[in-house]
Amino acid sequence: AQSVSQHNHHVILSEAASLELGCNYSYGGTVNLFWYVQYPGQHLQLLLKYFSGDPLVKGIKGFEAEFIKSKFSFNLRKPSVQWSDTAEYFCAVIQLNTGGFKTIFGAGTRLFVKA
Amino acid sequence: DADVTQTPRNRITKTGKRIMLECSQTKGHDRMYWYRQDPGLGLRLIYYSFDVKDINKGEISDGYSVSRQAQAKFSLSLESAIPNQTALYFCATSDPGTGEGGYTFGSGTRLTVV
Repeated sequence: AQSVSQHNHHVILSEAASLELGCNYSYGGTVNLFWYVQYPGQHLQLLLKYFSGDPLVKGIKGFEAEFIKSKFSFNLRKPSVQWSDTAEYFCAVIQLNTGGFKTIFGAGTRLFVKA
Repeated sequence: DADVTQTPRNRITKTGKRIMLECSQTKGHDRMYWYRQDPGLGLRLIYYSFDVKDINKGEISDGYSVSRQAQAKFSLSLESAIPNQTALYFCATSDPGTGEGGYTFGSGTRLTVV
């Protein structure tokens, strides 16, 4: 079955540490790729998206992600995290096909940044 | 005002009751969606609508129904609520011009079925 895997369920970092959250998917066709963030008690907000073109995409708040097609990966990175980045992060893959689309969200990674 | 507004924010209901969750948006988007979030499972698509006359089942539509009353309004109903429908429900919209998946989410409705 098609799936989206976020390998780390919980990540704890100190402020100024670098962040990389993994996301792998299993669909071999055309995809749209996303990272969403959910701050405590809030709704999901779009961090960044990839449809085509440059595989390195930059989003809001200093986040970036790299699409590596050969690895079916779309990892999220930030060079230096802040306490305010404490949140849950979701990778989402939209599988596009001739009949429509299928949306699959990863299970999420909870990030806690220590001040 | 929020771009996507969901009511109620919280609801506790009894098994077997019918309940409706409402969603309205001011984005002017044609596409609207209902998702369910469960801990450790991410979000799963219940229903989606690409315009007022278009309704489509998502991954987990059993036990749910929807109504698209207008471009701006998309409601989700649980015909006979059961405890495993306890979850956080999100409504979302998207602009097809920006590609499928770039969602604007509402603040969610936390539903508890006892």
